[in-house]
Amino acid sequence: EPEVTQTPSHQVTQMGQEVILRCVPISNHLYFYWYRQILGQKVEFLVSFYNNEISEKSEIFDDQFSVERPDGSNFTLKIRSTKLEDSAMYFCASTEQDLRTEAFFGQGTRLTVV
Amino acid sequence: SQQGEEDPQALSIQEGENATMNCSYKTSINNLQWYRQNSGRGLVHLILIRSNEREKHSGRLRVTLDTSKKSSSLLITASRAADTASYFCATDQGGSEKLVFGKGMKLTVNP
Repeated sequence: EPEVTQTPSHQVTQMGQEVILRCVPISNHLYFYWYRQILGQKVEFLVSFYNNEISEKSEIFDDQFSVERPDGSNFTLKIRSTKLEDSAMYFCASTEQDLRTEAFFGQGTRLTVV
Repeated sequence: SQQGEEDPQALSIQEGENATMNCSYKTSINNLQWYRQNSGRGLVHLILIRSNEREKHSGRLRVTLDTSKKSSSLLITASRAADTASYFCATDQGGSEKLVFGKGMKLTVNP
């Protein structure tokens, strides 16, 4: 069964460093998303991406964050100048045709900022 | 309550029993999705129910949707220890690109 894959599964970084989280969405899906879940809290929407551009973003997704689809398969989330409060599980998701269809999530990348 | 709020927040049952989880939401929706998350792991998609559907089945799962009450329920029949996980409902916001998740409900199935 097709699945969304994310790498790495766990990343530890120093405060102030930049990190890139990687995702390979399901191949025939057109919409891509990033969400995050701070430990013990709700899953929160960060950004959606369609047709090579951001289609919607949340208040959390400020200038510190950026997304890119560098090639036909990868979808990345870059976090610049990481802060302690960026520590969370980051999930990538994809849908075939926006949210009228099922959103499938990856296993997540646990980011720990120290 | 907030959009996509599950109830109860925690449930502990014996293997073989049924587990029912409820979700309430506030705004109009196009669909509602249920997810399972094992501790510290990814979100596994369980089922999507559209706003024009009232009930949907998938294996041991039964989901209902009452748009007049803005609520949904997830029933897991004949539960197994492997069903132990957190369960989330998530709603779209009608025209928005985001899913809004509830806080989740922790289900423990004791062998």
